[in-house]
Amino acid sequence: GESVGLHLPTLSVQEGDNSIINCAYSNSASDYFIWYKQESGKGPQFIIDIRSNMDKRQGQRVTVLLNKTVKHLSLQIAATQPGDSAVYFCAGTTGANNLFFGTGTRLTVIP
Amino acid sequence: DADVTQTPRNRITKTGKRIMLECSQTKGHDRMYWYRQDPGLGLQLIYYSFDVKDINKGEISDGYSVSRQAQAKFSLSLESAIPNQTALYFCATSDSGGRQFFGPGTRLTVL
Repeated sequence: GESVGLHLPTLSVQEGDNSIINCAYSNSASDYFIWYKQESGKGPQFIIDIRSNMDKRQGQRVTVLLNKTVKHLSLQIAATQPGDSAVYFCAGTTGANNLFFGTGTRLTVIP
Repeated sequence: DADVTQTPRNRITKTGKRIMLECSQTKGHDRMYWYRQDPGLGLQLIYYSFDVKDINKGEISDGYSVSRQAQAKFSLSLESAIPNQTALYFCATSDSGGRQFFGPGTRLTVL
C-alpha cells in the first residue's frame, strides 16, 4: 500500500540554525504533498504544500524540496526559532485520494 | 484552526459506553474526515465523507461509525468503547484541492 515515512524521529537544532526534515514516500504516482506542524495539545497546522510538477516551493522561512526520482521530500526551516519546536508531519496523496501521513519528526530548538 | 471545532475536547469514559464526538466547520468545505492519533504514530484515517450523502471507510473503521448531518457537521461514534480506543481524535475538512484543515482534537480515554 501507499506509505509516507520519515527518516528521523527526532531532530535538535540550535536557535538561529537552519533545520532540514526529511520524508520518503513509496508510491511514485503520488502527486501532492503537504507538510504539517503539530504543537503539543493542538491539531496539525498546514505549513506548505507542493505538487509533483514542481521541485521546490518557498514560503515564509520554509522551503519544500521534492525529488521525484528518489521519492523524497524535505522541509527546510531557515533561522530556526524556539516557536518552531513541534512535531512535523509529511503527507502525500495520489489524485483525489486521501492523504497518507508519516509518523512525524519532533524538532527541538535549543536556545 | 478556529474554523474547525470539535466537542468535547476531553472525555473519559468506561468500557462498553457509547460515545459521540462532534465536529463542525465554517469553511464551507464539502469533504470531512475523522482521524485517530496514537502516541508516536501518525494520523490514521477512520472515516471520510465527500458530501452529505457520501460516507466512506478509512484504514481503521472497525468499532467506529459516523454521521454526516449537514455539510458543516460530521460526528464520530464509538458504539461500545474499549480501552485500545484511547487516543487523540482529529476532525479535518478539505476542498477538492486536497489541503486539509484540522480541528483542535479530542482526547479520549477509555477505562
